Amino acid sequence: ELKVEQNPLFLSMQEGKNYTIYCNYSTTSDRLYWYRQDPGKSLESLFVLLSNGAVKQEGRLMASLDTKARLSTLHITAAVHDLSATYFCAVDSLWGNEKLTFGTGTRLTIIP
Amino acid sequence: GAVVSQHPSRVICKSGTSVKIECRSLDFQATTMFWYRQFPKKSLMLMATSNEGSKATYEQGVEKDKFLINHASLTLSTLTVTSAHPEDSSFYICSARIPGSGGKNIQYFGAGTRLSVL
Repeated sequence: ELKVEQNPLFLSMQEGKNYTIYCNYSTTSDRLYWYRQDPGKSLESLFVLLSNGAVKQEGRLMASLDTKARLSTLHITAAVHDLSATYFCAVDSLWGNEKLTFGTGTRLTIIP
Repeated sequence: GAVVSQHPSRVICKSGTSVKIECRSLDFQATTMFWYRQFPKKSLMLMATSNEGSKATYEQGVEKDKFLINHASLTLSTLTVTSAHPEDSSFYICSARIPGSGGKNIQYFGAGTRLSVL
């Protein structure tokens, strides 16, 4: 069974600081996705990482994938209040049935 | 970008009634849609995969007779919670896979439906 874990589960940080969210998964996969969820809302797609060493950046967020370590990171640079949300990573299954397994989520709160 | 419409956004019902939730892909045809359930402050749990023109594939532990899924057209999947009980109260989210995305499992998500069963 594919398991996806995120660390930390909760993160409170000051504006202007940098931090990294980690996503570990238990079986081989080379497709990983990051989503953002605001309270009471659905999911917004942030990044799609499709190969080992993939790195993508959008604004203050940068995501990377290391398939050998089964690890993805979401790095936040100079955090601003608007980034407060819950962030999920999700991993594709290997059996071609298009299922996504979601991580536990990281609730990020940016303090002014 | 692709849009997935989910309706209703919120529903309150009495115990024992059935509730239907609709998920529509507005500007593309989705042969595959997914239904998720999310408990407060928890992650998304896949309930079932909805395939156009065929039976849905349910995840282990999900009651097929409780959560009826119909995917009768390429743009519409419905989830019916039958004989709802308070423990069925949750946030239900659908998603639709973008066709032709090859190795990319690009899914767009509906806005979600918050079900409260009294």
